[in-house]
Amino acid sequence: NAGVTQTPKFQVLKTGQSMTLQCAQDMNHNSMYWYRQDPGMGLRLIYYSASEGTTDKGEVPNGYNVSRLNKREFSLRLESAAPSQTSVYFCASRSMGWGTEAFFGQGTRLTVV
Amino acid sequence: AQTVTQSQPEMSVQEAETVTLSCTYDTSESDYYLFWYKQPPSRQMILVIRQEAYKQQNATENRFSVNFQKAAKSFSLKISDSQLGDAAMYFCARCNTGNQFYFGTGTSLTVIP
Repeated sequence: NAGVTQTPKFQVLKTGQSMTLQCAQDMNHNSMYWYRQDPGMGLRLIYYSASEGTTDKGEVPNGYNVSRLNKREFSLRLESAAPSQTSVYFCASRSMGWGTEAFFGQGTRLTVV
Repeated sequence: AQTVTQSQPEMSVQEAETVTLSCTYDTSESDYYLFWYKQPPSRQMILVIRQEAYKQQNATENRFSVNFQKAAKSFSLKISDSQLGDAAMYFCARCNTGNQFYFGTGTSLTVIP
């Protein structure tokens, strides 16, 4: 029972470098989400995908892009990393249906120096 | 932005006592779901309890219960008979019909032996 798998778990980037955070779920969920967690700020929604083939901006999309590669996978890309993007990133998925819970990955701790 | 507010950054409770964590939210919709999630030091997000806005009866899950006041847009979590394992960060969240899942800033709960 893998659930939601994020890779990598830790990453250090230099300012200006790019990278892609990977997320895959094996629960046949329609909706997937990317959040960032910062001290005192809670979890803030970056992007979400209500279903395969669709993506929408959340609260803090600037500096990020996403791809819903297929139903299982939803990646988050930082094109030119900035120190302000130092954070813990969480991917989550939910099945279609009103009020279903979100299942989360273990998070990726990203540091931009 | 439709916000979720947790006004208590930190709370503490004596083991076996009761504690209440506060949450208020803003929404223009009449139906939505509310959630409480727990995040222990492992960083894993765990669903504690959920409530549909149309249901007047407050949800209960063992030692966890909510006080849902729809008119006041308030959704507090009560933990009874607190245990050491309850120590964690607690997040309130709201899901609307647009499939967006918004979280509050969190309350860090300490349980004192």
